[in-house]
Amino acid sequence: SQQGEEDPQALSIQEGENATMNCSYKTSINNLQWYRQNSGRGLVHLILIRSNEREKHSGRLRVTLDTSKKSSSLLITASRAADTASYFCATDGYRTSGTYKYIFGTGTRLKVLA
Amino acid sequence: EAGVTQFPSHSVIEKGQTVTLRCDPISGHDNLYWYRRVMGKEIKFLLHFVKESKQDESGMPNNRFLAERTGGTYSTLKVQPAELEDSGVYFCASSQDGGREQYFGPGTRLTVT
Repeated sequence: SQQGEEDPQALSIQEGENATMNCSYKTSINNLQWYRQNSGRGLVHLILIRSNEREKHSGRLRVTLDTSKKSSSLLITASRAADTASYFCATDGYRTSGTYKYIFGTGTRLKVLA
Repeated sequence: EAGVTQFPSHSVIEKGQTVTLRCDPISGHDNLYWYRRVMGKEIKFLLHFVKESKQDESGMPNNRFLAERTGGTYSTLKVQPAELEDSGVYFCASSQDGGREQYFGPGTRLTVT
């Protein structure tokens, strides 16, 4: 599997339910971020969690990070139709030639049915 | 503080034409990055500027893509000539020192017909 791989690839739920997405990565990180992309539009930053943090909340979002398992999860509570989007995790990955290249996974496509 | 901005938000061009995308980083950010997501695949790194210099352009797909950052402020990414497989969303990001916290722009959606 590649760095920053999300699971599941697609998720369909009813409005009001919770949605959980997982992300696994390979190398050590300084931080991990979750992003949302709506229908091929822009990338919206949701939340950043640092490697020394285990859990972080932002509104209806809850992110956990387990550095021992190299995994993170994003929980969206009380989902809404407007949450329908693709969700990506991104890690600060490796540094080559003085460059930090964010490594993104293929994303989880979330569909919230009204 | 203004975030990273990109222009245009959406561009539709025909195969063989030229398109130039622009990115304005957050003021004071020396580091500027280009990424893209094509064909519903993962978002991939294209290149990294430190001020006006290309630090790493290992992700540039081929010589039809030319990125510049004259003066170390805004950057342009030119695709010439555009091919169908270039369709996707092009993201720009900027950061201060180190680049471990990159702030992304809204992206430019490029459609090549």
